[in-house]
Amino acid sequence: GAVVSQHPSWVICKSGTSVKIECRSLDFQATTMFWYRQFPKQSLMLMATSNEGSKATYEQGVEKDKFLINHASLTLSTLTVTSAHPEDSSFYICSARGLLAGAYYNEQFFGPGTRLTVL
Amino acid sequence: GIQVEQSPPDLILQEGANSTLRCNFSDSVNNLQWFHQNPWGQLINLFYIPSGTKQNGRLSATTVATERYSLLYISSSQTTDSGVYFCAVGGGSNYKLTFGKGTLLTVNP
Repeated sequence: GAVVSQHPSWVICKSGTSVKIECRSLDFQATTMFWYRQFPKQSLMLMATSNEGSKATYEQGVEKDKFLINHASLTLSTLTVTSAHPEDSSFYICSARGLLAGAYYNEQFFGPGTRLTVL
Repeated sequence: GIQVEQSPPDLILQEGANSTLRCNFSDSVNNLQWFHQNPWGQLINLFYIPSGTKQNGRLSATTVATERYSLLYISSSQTTDSGVYFCAVGGGSNYKLTFGKGTLLTVNP
């Protein structure tokens, strides 16, 4: 149990375009989802936290108008990178926690990540 | 926010050797997780261990919450154990995790 998927696995886009990344919890209800960014040879940095049906909470320094997050259901969250630029190229990873087998879990489960390259 | 320090930053082992990775954190936590990031970037959950000791095959972990550290033990290491090991902790009601910088483990045949 506790499987999180992401789509697409990788994407290449032109500068100025928008890209949407989907994160799905396949076998549990994700009451909270998180989006991280990881640059090469660095650790994961939390970008934002979203609770189902609520607006996302962004970490300091993350532009909410550039990184649009929607968590409209208990199994799906999306991250849209608007007007992407080469400096937005990175590895984006989502995670989720929530209700699994009748109990709320504090443990986070991570998706496989999406590699974004902006030309 | 919580500070997380992992040591050592790099570790090179021969196959079959044992190793201990350490994670120090600066405040009380209600979540501590150990991960292995594989070469494709996927984070594999190893342990959810805000306190106590757990074992899973050749891996085990111990968290001493009162002294604010956690240890990950890898016994009889294999080349497939290579990769980055992350410790991540959370301490509030918002369930956020703060990641350490990781330990890059290389196991040579």
